[in-house]
Amino acid sequence: QITLKESGPTLVKPTQTLTLTCTLSGFSLSTPGVGVGWIRQPPGKALEWLALIYWDDGKYYSPSLKSRLTVTKDTSKNQVFLTMTNVDPVDTATYFCAKKTHGFDYWGQGTLVTVSS
Amino acid sequence: SYVLTQPPSVSVAPGQTARVTCGGNKIGSRSVHWYQQKAGQAPVLVVYEDSDRPSGIPERFSGSNSGNTATLTISRVEAGDEADYYCQVWDNINDHPVFGGGTQLTVL
Repeated sequence: QITLKESGPTLVKPTQTLTLTCTLSGFSLSTPGVGVGWIRQPPGKALEWLALIYWDDGKYYSPSLKSRLTVTKDTSKNQVFLTMTNVDPVDTATYFCAKKTHGFDYWGQGTLVTVSS
Repeated sequence: SYVLTQPPSVSVAPGQTARVTCGGNKIGSRSVHWYQQKAGQAPVLVVYEDSDRPSGIPERFSGSNSGNTATLTISRVEAGDEADYYCQVWDNINDHPVFGGGTQLTVL
């Protein structure tokens, strides 16, 4: 059974750095063709793709957020990490990680991150 | 950046057919994926690569893609189909996924 689960802080202060972890189960990020993406959704708004990392360590970032994002993986621990620097209240959102093969075929439940002082 | 345009809302009576559109420049030349997101839940892939269904998705969900419009069709709509639906493609020029703005499907 394939599952993904996001974890990290629920409250972050403005200007701080946010680090989220996605723990994978039922598949390996060392399998050719497999990627894991990060997508967020502000309350009441649409999905916004943030970053994507592939089995071969290829990385892609949203052009509008590229300077603030870093995606990495620890294949031995089956985890993927997203770091976002200099957060702002507009970064308040539910953050999802999702497995990518043909589209994003499996999603985590999401974690709500609030940015507030 | 590649832009996908969806109608904000679509309404349909139970048992009827709902069509959710996704517009984009020459979208017919790209693979389109569709996601269903029910209130308070994570998105679920319901159609991938224009018209294929993942395991467990009812045959009532189908997709098509041609020209500048991709369409998700839901036949014999049920109350449980009420959700937001998002289309998604890969932006080949900028090398990243793009989501549409989402369509809220209301079952009357």
